[in-house]
Amino acid sequence: SSELTQDPAVSVALGQTVKITCQGDSLTSFYPSWYQQRPGQAPILVIFGKNNRPLGIPDRFSGSSSGTTSSLTITGAQAEDEADYYCNSRDSSGQRVMFGGGTRLTVL
Amino acid sequence: EVQLLESGGGRVLPGGSLKLSCAASGLTLSRYAMTWVRQAPGKGLEWVSAISGNGDRTFYADPVKGRFTISRDNSKNTLYLQMTSLRAEDTALYYCAKGLYPSGTEWDYLDNWGQGTLVTVSS
Repeated sequence: SSELTQDPAVSVALGQTVKITCQGDSLTSFYPSWYQQRPGQAPILVIFGKNNRPLGIPDRFSGSSSGTTSSLTITGAQAEDEADYYCNSRDSSGQRVMFGGGTRLTVL
Repeated sequence: EVQLLESGGGRVLPGGSLKLSCAASGLTLSRYAMTWVRQAPGKGLEWVSAISGNGDRTFYADPVKGRFTISRDNSKNTLYLQMTSLRAEDTALYYCAKGLYPSGTEWDYLDNWGQGTLVTVSS
């Protein structure tokens, strides 16, 4: 299917590990990128490709992929990680792009 | 430091037109593919359109194809989005974003975003 599916909401206890998933057929062909968006702010790229972090992104953020599922893992979640997270990927044509519906992460 | 500054948003009647601009600084725009992404109030991100670094390739999401036109003027370091036949469902904050690699063909890994310009389509 030409869509990316994310769980609407996930919660994690402070300092614990959380995995946010993204499902879609296109993920067997293309690695996704992941974006963090805090309220009232523009999105920030946190992971791209197989498992790459832009400069300035803490190493507690990591990415992985298996089949039609890609995941963003936060190891040792901090209060400032509370945000919406979006995956994106090329579609099956390889030309257009699509975003997942987003996952709201709550840090308890 | 790369900065992207969107402008041109506003309130428009259904069926109307609007042209958004995204002025880039701190980079040579021609080296990078550029993308427009929108976010309706309280909703998620939606990819709208992308253009290659030299402007020879453009791509559109189905909801805007035939109504929106993406373009760029690399001499002015500026990206545009011409929007026509606007509908209520086009109401959103429109972001421009820069592709990660200076290959001109990376329009899914977006490493710099503007703060957005708000488009409201309402009678």
